[in-house]
Amino acid sequence: GESVGLHLPTLSVQEGDNSIINCAYSNSASDYFIWYKQESGKGPQFIIDIRSNMDKRQGQRVTVLLNKTVKHLSLQIAATQPGDSAVYFCAENVGNQGGKLIFGQGTELSVKP
Amino acid sequence: DVKVTQSSRYLVKRTGEKVFLECVQDMDHENMFWYRQDPGLGLRLIYFSYDVKMKEKGDIPEGYSVSREKKERFSLILESASTNQTSMYLCASAKYGYTFGSGTRLTVV
Repeated sequence: GESVGLHLPTLSVQEGDNSIINCAYSNSASDYFIWYKQESGKGPQFIIDIRSNMDKRQGQRVTVLLNKTVKHLSLQIAATQPGDSAVYFCAENVGNQGGKLIFGQGTELSVKP
Repeated sequence: DVKVTQSSRYLVKRTGEKVFLECVQDMDHENMFWYRQDPGLGLRLIYFSYDVKMKEKGDIPEGYSVSREKKERFSLILESASTNQTSMYLCASAKYGYTFGSGTRLTVV
């Protein structure tokens, strides 16, 4: 069935560097994508989302890029900070917004001081 | 801010017990979801509900049931707990985006 997967299970970056977390999705009908951050012992928290009619969306220090041609999603974090250390999940939604999401397995980001 | 509250952060139950995991949201959302999260497997959908008294199976419903008697409350029930149901359970509520609870870490011994 459809699935969302992440290319790397772990990512280690130096404080102050930019981080790029990648995600591949398989359902070309997916029309809404979300990135979540999960800190240890907490539930996932919304970071940023993007609709399929866009290819880029920016938030505060974060940017999501969507390439529908190759079904690839990425999360860029500028000037990575120790507080960014967490597991990051991408998720895709097909159909009605607020409906079922399919999650990737997650990438653990570690920020070295 | 939307709040999704899961009644317990940690639970330890014995094999064969009936277990209730409660989830309450305060923003009048129609859609509610139960996921379990396991290392290497990500979040997997157990059950979801788009309205009161409505429920639909997710990807891994076996061994679970749910109850949605009121809009704000979505309960996950383990009819007879087994050790392979030891996991982190996450509830979410959604209108457009999802809001997750903090999770319940259930250990079945």
